[in-house]
Parts: sequence; structure tokens; C-alpha cells
Amino acid sequence: DGGITQSPKYLFRKEGQNVTLSCEQNLNHDAMYWYRQDPGQGLRLIYYSQIVNDFQKGDIAEGYSVSREKKESFPLTVTSAQKNPTAFYLCASRIRQGRNQPQHFGDGTRLSIL
Amino acid sequence: GQQLNQSPQSMFIQEGEDVSMNCTSSSIFNTWLWYKQDPGEGPVLLIALYKAGELTSNGRLTAQFGITRKDSFLNISASIPSDVGIYFCAGSYMDSNYQLIWGAGTKLIIKP
Repeated sequence: DGGITQSPKYLFRKEGQNVTLSCEQNLNHDAMYWYRQDPGQGLRLIYYSQIVNDFQKGDIAEGYSVSREKKESFPLTVTSAQKNPTAFYLCASRIRQGRNQPQHFGDGTRLSIL
Repeated sequence: GQQLNQSPQSMFIQEGEDVSMNCTSSSIFNTWLWYKQDPGEGPVLLIALYKAGELTSNGRLTAQFGITRKDSFLNISASIPSDVGIYFCAGSYMDSNYQLIWGAGTKLIIKP
């Protein structure tokens, strides 16, 4: 089945620890995105990547880092510099060609502080 | 970052009722999207709109791209229990490199 797979589903972080969230897609999509979702709010963009080996900061990039070494993979690292990391993290992807194609989402990773 | 104004924030409805929600923006958009999110899952695309005035249906759902290009609405007819969830609007415009701007969501709750 084609889709976007995020792992793990739940993740716990200790103080001062970096953690990495995985996002893999087999849809052959060009662009990939990471969002943060807090209760009662819309999605906020952390980072996005339009092509391999290139990515840009979104609205709330501080305390996060990404890489895009392969088209199908876009991992997100939540660093110790992110002081309030507890949230639901969503990965999305889309085709870039043609008219503005919508983003499609994985099922998210919930990150909590120990 | 910029956000859309989505209303209402939540709705308590009886099964079988029709539902209406909308989003407005101070910017002109060339795409409006409507998503539904169930608890603990990612948003799922319901309807995509690309042209001012466009009216598109997906089963019991109907969405319209406002003529001014600054608003959109979503209607659900004859609501059923599985309609419960959070509905998000999202819009984009060419100068934003097609990045999405999101509403805060409308939470739909079925009255017992």
C-alpha cells in the first residue's frame, strides 16, 4: 500500500536529550513537511523540503533540525534546545508537478517529556 | 505566522442535522482545502478547491471557494456519528510557494 509512515507512534524524551522522529513515504512525492500540533490550535509548519538535499525553515524551526538525503525520507530531530517539545508531530508530503496538489499526512507521533 | 479565521470553534449537533462551518482570510488564496482529523490520527483530505466560485461535493459534504477568494465554507448534510472529529480549512497562494496556512479547526460533537 502507498502511504506515509511515521514512527514511533509515541515517544518520550528526557531532559537534555535529542530525539528523532521518522517519516517515510512511498508515494514518490517530491515535497515533504513537518508540522507541530498543539491542542486547540491549527498546524504550525516546522520545516519543509521541496527536493532532495534541500530544506527550508517554517514558522517554528527553532529547536528542530531535519535532513533530506533520500526522496522518500524526511526525519525530524527535536533537540534539547526545544524547551517545550510536548506535542503531536505530523509529517506530510505532496507532488509538486501540475496544479497545487494537496498535502497528504501520516498518522503522527506524540512526543512527551519524561 | 498567518492563520485563517475558522468558525465556529466547536459545534454540538443532533444526529441528522445539517452542519455548516467557514473560513475567512485577509489574503486572496488560489487554493482552499478541507481536512478532517480523528483523535490520534493525521488529517485526511476531504475536498480541494482551485477556482473562485467552485462548488464541490464529496458524498454528504459540500464545499465552496468564495467569489472574493478570501473565504470558503464546508457543509455536511444529515450528520451521522462518524462525522465527529475536527475539521480544518487550509489555504495557499502562489507567492507563498504553495505553503498551507491553517485554520484552528472546528470540533464537531454529536449530542447524546
